[in-house]
Amino acid sequence: EDKVVQSPLSLVVHEGDTVTLNCSYEVTNFRSLLWYKQEKKAPTFLFMLTSSGIEKKSGRLSSILDKKELSSILNITATQTGDSAIYLCAGGYGGATNKLIFGTGTLLAVQP
Amino acid sequence: DVKVTQSSRYLVKRTGEKVFLECVQDMDHENMFWYRQDPGLGLRLIYFSYDVKMKEKGDIPEGYSVSREKKERFSLILESASTNQTSMYLCASTFVQGGRDGYTFGSGTRLTVV
Repeated sequence: EDKVVQSPLSLVVHEGDTVTLNCSYEVTNFRSLLWYKQEKKAPTFLFMLTSSGIEKKSGRLSSILDKKELSSILNITATQTGDSAIYLCAGGYGGATNKLIFGTGTLLAVQP
Repeated sequence: DVKVTQSSRYLVKRTGEKVFLECVQDMDHENMFWYRQDPGLGLRLIYFSYDVKMKEKGDIPEGYSVSREKKERFSLILESASTNQTSMYLCASTFVQGGRDGYTFGSGTRLTVV
């Protein structure tokens, strides 16, 4: 059965800390790995990863995919309270339908 | 900006009622999806549609149906609402090939069935 597993389930850090969120996947016909940030409402897109070993960066956030280990990490440096959110990882599969299977998410709380 | 709009932010319905959740997107996306999100379970796919009048079951379709009469609108129907359908419902859309930005989500509808 296809699945995406995220760890840790939750994390509490202080502002300025660096955090690493983990995602492992077992997805048939795997196409891509996506990261989303969800605050109070709609998940917002962070990264889509399709190639192994190529880091994607956006400000203080970065992510990389390891297809050999079937995993990905999301790094956040110099965390701020505004980074507090649920971070969702999803594995993309399927042909034209481009479906996603989601992990349960990591709840990150950044304390002042 | 791509917009995916869900008609209701919060909804309270009684057990046995027929419930309609509406989703509209304005970017001509072919694919549209309905997920429900529950604590500890993440997002689970209920139904998706890859074209007008075309639909496929996701992982948890029981108790739900969908309708896609127009490309921009995808409706989720709870035929007879039950308390175990209390949840956050998220609609999403994307191009057939996914595009470089993955899915675009609506703001969600928090449904409570009493």
